[in-house]
Amino acid sequence: GESVGLHLPTLSVQEGDNSIINCAYSNSASDYFIWYKQESGKGPQFIIDIRSNMDKRQGQRVTVLLNKTVKHLSLQIAATQPGDSAVYFCAENIFGDYKLSFGAGTTVTVRA
Amino acid sequence: EAGVAQSPRYKIIEKRQSVAFWCNPISGHATLYWYQQILGQGPKLLIQFQNNGVVDDSQLPKDRFSAERLKGVDSTLKIQPAKLEDSAVYLCASSLAPSRELFFGEGSRLTVL
Repeated sequence: GESVGLHLPTLSVQEGDNSIINCAYSNSASDYFIWYKQESGKGPQFIIDIRSNMDKRQGQRVTVLLNKTVKHLSLQIAATQPGDSAVYFCAENIFGDYKLSFGAGTTVTVRA
Repeated sequence: EAGVAQSPRYKIIEKRQSVAFWCNPISGHATLYWYQQILGQGPKLLIQFQNNGVVDDSQLPKDRFSAERLKGVDSTLKIQPAKLEDSAVYLCASSLAPSRELFFGEGSRLTVL
């Protein structure tokens, strides 16, 4: 079964607020994580990644935090915009496995 | 840089019929993946190629699904015969190497009636 999951299937956010999307994983051998964004009718698009030797990584308006102690991953989006409305997936790679496993996704809706 | 190309974008067939999807990865990407995404779920890996060899096909229903990657570039995924539960979006992705960033195509949406 899937070892990657998200805490909430949906998230509604006011435009301009910060969004936090959470993901839990169960395999302690996971060493690489990616967040993807999928808009309706499109394929997933890379947002940001992080390796297990890091706790935090920042991109443009996005930050990924990794807590290996509790096997938890989060994606923070600053100043959420209408264009951020999409389904967000976390994906993990297990060391030596050479493939990505995806969680079920969180649907983010931005309110104007 | 051109992205991952897939065709057709949409296909409607009746159960027990056959269908084929085509994928052209990003130039130079050695690793190619086919994922199945059922509505409301995350993508599930069906098969992974490294050049023209299969790395992982453990979740491919081999009694009805087949895939090939000739010459290590384009790939086709075939379903024969199709079942109702095969209705999904079939996503092709490519990467420079295994476990590196995956680039996805727009997907091929299959509806089996």
